[in-house]
Amino acid sequence: DAGVTQSPTHLIKTRGQQVTLRCSPKSGHDTVSWYQQALGQGPQFIFQYYEEEERQRGNFPDRFSGHQFPNYSSELNVNALLLGDSALYLCASSLTGISGNTIYFGEGSWLTVV
Amino acid sequence: DAKTTQPTSMDCAEGRAANLPCNHSTISGNEYVYWYRQIHSQGPQYIIHGLKNNETNEMASLIITEDRKSSTLILPHATLRDTAVYYCIVSNYNQGGKLIFGQGTELSVKP
Repeated sequence: DAGVTQSPTHLIKTRGQQVTLRCSPKSGHDTVSWYQQALGQGPQFIFQYYEEEERQRGNFPDRFSGHQFPNYSSELNVNALLLGDSALYLCASSLTGISGNTIYFGEGSWLTVV
Repeated sequence: DAKTTQPTSMDCAEGRAANLPCNHSTISGNEYVYWYRQIHSQGPQYIIHGLKNNETNEMASLIITEDRKSSTLILPHATLRDTAVYYCIVSNYNQGGKLIFGQGTELSVKP
């Protein structure tokens, strides 16, 4: 049973560029959440997708957008990259409708903006 | 803001039990207590979660006080590989996968 998978694992982008990160949730899960973790900090919630729609959003600008596909996989897009966007981006999957369900994280995508 | 308070760091001798405390005095009735750990440069690893009863799995035990205002994660026989940052998080059913992380406790297991 595959866990949460993310790609790419590492990437380097130039300031002003755009980036797309991908996530496949754990088998049987239908909800995907994205987090940003800066060096030395805890993960910060970006947004959550369920039924192909953004259901919740944290305090992140509109440069951060996402998408969920019918197979529950998801993409995180960041436009007009800033140096401060350099971070570990984490995807978490869960199952909506199940009280107290377990939430699993992927290994993350390391983004460096130069 | 995170709804939990944890010590910044703790040390534990290898082979001994590691007891990590967490205060969540404002927890609501429908909020679960989740514990994750994160080893440097890796994604958070799920450890255990509970609502009000004590829980045990192959990794750890979770002891929740009767008033649910605090909890303790117990690693019964700590190894060097348990060195990590441990996060205690409260989250309700309606928030699904939304977890609000604090700074966590940096546990160092020493030989």
